[in-house]
Amino acid sequence: EDKVVQSPLSLVVHEGDTVTLNCSYEVTNFRSLLWYKQEKKAPTFLFMLTSSGIEKKSGRLSSILDKKELFSILNITATQTGDSAIYLCAVGLMESQTGANNLFFGTGTRLTVIP
Amino acid sequence: ETGVTQTPRHLVMGMTNKKSLKCEQHLGHNAMYWYKQSAKKPLELMFVYSLEERVENNSVPSRFSPECPNSSHLFLHLHTLQPEDSALYLCASSQAPQGDQPQHFGDGTRLSIL
Repeated sequence: EDKVVQSPLSLVVHEGDTVTLNCSYEVTNFRSLLWYKQEKKAPTFLFMLTSSGIEKKSGRLSSILDKKELFSILNITATQTGDSAIYLCAVGLMESQTGANNLFFGTGTRLTVIP
Repeated sequence: ETGVTQTPRHLVMGMTNKKSLKCEQHLGHNAMYWYKQSAKKPLELMFVYSLEERVENNSVPSRFSPECPNSSHLFLHLHTLQPEDSALYLCASSQAPQGDQPQHFGDGTRLSIL
C-alpha cells in the first residue's frame, strides 16, 4: 500500500528560527516528490524533485530528495509569520497510459510562526 | 490567482439535493483532477481526466459523478450525499503527458451536508 508520512504533524517556532520538515514515502511507480504550501485556500506549488541529492532553492526555502532512503526534507530559514501554513508533501505516481501525474499526499505539517 | 477557478466557494445542501461543482482552468493544461480534503486526513484523489478521458476513479461512491466536457472544464455532480461527504473539494490541473509538471490547485469548494 502506498504511503507518505510527514513529520512533525505540527510545529510552533519563533520568527527567525530555522525549521526542517520531513517527508518519507513508500510507493510503487515513483515519479516525483512535490511540496505544497496551503494556507486557507489552494495548495500552492513550492518544489518538484525528481533526482536525488540535488537541492532546489527558492528564497528562504529549500528542499532535497534522497531516493535511496526514500525521504525528502523542506527547510525554511529565517522564518516569518507569513510562513505559517500547512506544508503538504505529495508523491507523483506514474500513470503510464496517459502520463497524468497522479499525486499521493501526506497529512501535512502545520507550521505556526509566532512573532 | 492560481489559474484554476472553482465555483461555488461554499455550498450547503441537504442529503436529498442535487448540485454540481464547477472547475475551470486557464493554464492550457490537458489533465484535470478532483480531490477531497477532510479534516486531519490527507488529500484523497477522487477522479482523474487526462485528454478528456477518465483514467482513474479511486473507488468513489456513485453519488459523486464527474464530467469533463473539454480540457478546460470539469464538473462534479452530487446527489443524495451523506454527512461524511462534508469536506473541501479541490480541483487541480496539470500538463500531460509530460508528467514532470506540477498540479495547480483551485481554492476549493467547501461543502457542508445537512
